[in-house]
Amino acid sequence: DAKTTQPNSMESNEEEPVHLPCNHSTISGTDYIHWYRQLPSQGPEYVIHGLTSNVNNRMASLAIAEDRKSSTLILHRATLRDAAVYYCILRVINAGKSTFGDGTTLTVKP
Amino acid sequence: DGGITQSPKYLFRKEGQNVTLSCEQNLNHDAMYWYRQDPGQGLRLIYYSQIVNDFQKGDIAEGYSVSREKKESFPLTVTSAQKNPTAFYLCASRRTVNTGELFFGEGSRLTVL
Repeated sequence: DAKTTQPNSMESNEEEPVHLPCNHSTISGTDYIHWYRQLPSQGPEYVIHGLTSNVNNRMASLAIAEDRKSSTLILHRATLRDAAVYYCILRVINAGKSTFGDGTTLTVKP
Repeated sequence: DGGITQSPKYLFRKEGQNVTLSCEQNLNHDAMYWYRQDPGQGLRLIYYSQIVNDFQKGDIAEGYSVSREKKESFPLTVTSAQKNPTAFYLCASRRTVNTGELFFGEGSRLTVL
């Protein structure tokens, strides 16, 4: 399985941008990079995904390195509701399963 | 509204009893997944199913069993062979194994006394 590596925890101040990094040095050409987040005692929710180009949606932006070995999830203005565990995973074509790591716990300070 | 429904939300059982957790989706998704989550940890894959009447073991399948007789349903049985069954169990689905994002249910918290 292609693996991802994320920092265990990060802190941010409210209304400031947050950059959450993810390393995926063994990514192959057809693997999509997906981000999910999980609020306490809830199931994860989809945030964003991309293949090669940077992506934006209403929740966040995803910046993908040119060699695709790393990516960064960008929350433009963190709110207290963004405090969650953020997971970066690879969707491997034809692999069937989707494997999660331990993610990054984001704390947002008022 | 389309989504995934897991039941029960909370479940208490005595050691040695089998327990079945329900997962139903009305999203018309082919692929379904079961994950286990222990406190402070990430998700670990138990079983997944790419299509009706087919399923594969994930990373921690020992002590668990599943069935996929209908597209909408993917129940998980936690058997007495599972040594440490107390955990938060999450069901998810995806349009196919190769397309779309994962949609998760709200989870079932199993406590074995």
